[in-house]
Amino acid sequence: DSGVTQTPKHLITATGQRVTLRCSPRSGDLSVYWYQQSLDQGLQFLIQYYNGEERAKGNILERFSAQQFPDLHSELNLSSLELGDSALYFCASSVGTGANTEAFFGQGTRLTVV
Amino acid sequence: QQPVQSPQAVILREGEDAVINCSSSKALYSVHWYRQKHGEAPVFLMILLKGGEQKGHEKISASFNEKKQQSSLYLTASQLSYSGTYFCGTVGNDMRFGAGTRLTVKP
Repeated sequence: DSGVTQTPKHLITATGQRVTLRCSPRSGDLSVYWYQQSLDQGLQFLIQYYNGEERAKGNILERFSAQQFPDLHSELNLSSLELGDSALYFCASSVGTGANTEAFFGQGTRLTVV
Repeated sequence: QQPVQSPQAVILREGEDAVINCSSSKALYSVHWYRQKHGEAPVFLMILLKGGEQKGHEKISASFNEKKQQSSLYLTASQLSYSGTYFCGTVGNDMRFGAGTRLTVKP
């Protein structure tokens, strides 16, 4: 158990809908990262937050948004869902900004868009 | 920019060695290595920092060439448990991962 909690574990929804994925980082970790992993593919970086502020943005679609709350949990909002958004979404957390601290991954949320 | 990993896949017999390479076109603060088993979350293996500092598993070794922005992961005397997909993560202003190297260790 990495200490990072993601909910829900599985989500099935229809095209055009909106969903929210939730991530609770390890206690004491200030950074949260979101990654998208399509079937048997690599980890595509979406966005990073550090202590409530957006720190870096990757290949995140305009239909997607995220935020980190004062209690440091984070949410990833996906809207106008398309079939191609089906993937495993991982959140990871680390103490610092990433350069010299390891990241711990949650078990992921598997999103299926039908 | 994502780092580039090679090879894409490798198959070994137990006890054999393997090297996985990672390169980046961007200046790096550090390189991270993770292993992901099928259906599971990636698990941290090692960090290599500028200046030569390393943190991670004792049984795994790696190198980081800061000037060339390249890193290599050395897996020696492989065990069945080493099977999985290995990702390098390069840390500049964010942490991006390569496409992964699928390692299969057979008895």
